[in-house]
Amino acid sequence: GENVEQHPSTLSVQEGDSAVIKCTYSDSASNYFPWYKQELGKGPQLIIDIRSNVGEKKDQRIAVTLNKTAKHFSLHITETQPEDSAVYFCAASFTVTGANNLFFGTGTRLTVIP
Amino acid sequence: ETGVTQTPRHLVMGMTNKKSLKCEQHLGHNAMYWYKQSAKKPLELMFVYNFKEQTENNSVPSRFSPECPNSSHLFLHLHTLQPEDSALYLCASSLGTSGGVMGEQYFGPGTRLTVT
Repeated sequence: GENVEQHPSTLSVQEGDSAVIKCTYSDSASNYFPWYKQELGKGPQLIIDIRSNVGEKKDQRIAVTLNKTAKHFSLHITETQPEDSAVYFCAASFTVTGANNLFFGTGTRLTVIP
Repeated sequence: ETGVTQTPRHLVMGMTNKKSLKCEQHLGHNAMYWYKQSAKKPLELMFVYNFKEQTENNSVPSRFSPECPNSSHLFLHLHTLQPEDSALYLCASSLGTSGGVMGEQYFGPGTRLTVT
């Protein structure tokens, strides 16, 4: 099955700096890569995703890049703010009709220092 | 709010108890999921239901018994659990289980379960 590794496990940045979280996956057939943000006491919330037919996607201060050859993808947060502090999870799946099994990384705890 | 609610939010139970977790989604989705989240481990998919039919059982022990009476409700019945089953149990839903927007999963806040 798919194996997703995520680094770093913890990350502290100063407010206004950028944060980068990296993930690798093992199954070359994976074609959907979402990122989730989990705040204390809440479930994970989808913040951005990318599919294998594109290399980069942006949404305001967050962006995700995908390198299919190297089987890795990254989350980039620019101009970080204290409210960005949370645990971030990457995931990968091979989406075919009737299946949508997400394989998650172990999470990155991001702390933005005011 | 994501449109997925879970009750109770916290549950403490003994190893001989029987309890149930409830999930309800208000998004008009057709697929629902149970996940287990333990400290320092990836989220583990437990069960998938699509149009009330179970489509995935990820080798979950029989002491966890899911029930999906309709596309909006999902239950997880618990009996004779072990202390290592203590975790956050998350419910999620999606429009479908295929690719694209259909498969985007929305999570509830979870039930924090402690087995004593």
